[in-house]
Amino acid sequence: DGGITQSPKYLFRKEGQNVTLSCEQNLNHDAMYWYRQDPGQGLRLIYYSQIVNDFQKGDIAEGYSVSREKKESFPLTVTSAQKNPTAFYLCASSIAGPNQPQHFGDGTRLSIL
Amino acid sequence: QKEVEQNSGPLSVPEGAIASLNCTYSDRVSQSFFWYRQYSGKSPELIMSIYSNGDKEDGRFTAQLNKASQYVSLLIRDSQPSDSATYLCAVDNDYKLSFGAGTTVTVRA
Repeated sequence: DGGITQSPKYLFRKEGQNVTLSCEQNLNHDAMYWYRQDPGQGLRLIYYSQIVNDFQKGDIAEGYSVSREKKESFPLTVTSAQKNPTAFYLCASSIAGPNQPQHFGDGTRLSIL
Repeated sequence: QKEVEQNSGPLSVPEGAIASLNCTYSDRVSQSFFWYRQYSGKSPELIMSIYSNGDKEDGRFTAQLNKASQYVSLLIRDSQPSDSATYLCAVDNDYKLSFGAGTTVTVRA
């Protein structure tokens, strides 16, 4: 079955710690995205990538980093510089180009210990 | 910042009624529009996409687009308890999507 796999489902971060959220897709999509969702709010774009080895900052990139070394994978690191990381993190992918719908993984819930 | 505004909820409708959800957007050049359904604690699921002015029907869902008024809506006919969810409007924005905050719908049995 084709889809987007995010792991882990739940993640806890200690003060001063960096954590990495995994996102893997087997849909053969070129474009991948990371969003953050806070309770009662819509999705805010953190980073996106239209092609391997290239990515751009979204609206709230501060305190986050990404890499895109493989077409299938787009991991997100939440660094210690992100002071309010508690949120629901969603990874999405799409065919590259304008006007394409995005499809989402099941998400990772990150909390502070 | 390109904005997407949705009518504030929550919206409560009786089973079998029509639920009407509205969305306005600020960027006149947007060409594609999407509705996602998000159940509590789950990820968004694409339910409708619309690219041209007018209506598009898919089962009990109808999306309506009016680019001149910068307005897109979603109608859910014969609402069922399983339609209880938050509905997110998304608008294309330079190879990205901008999302509204969502409207929560509760269908009363």
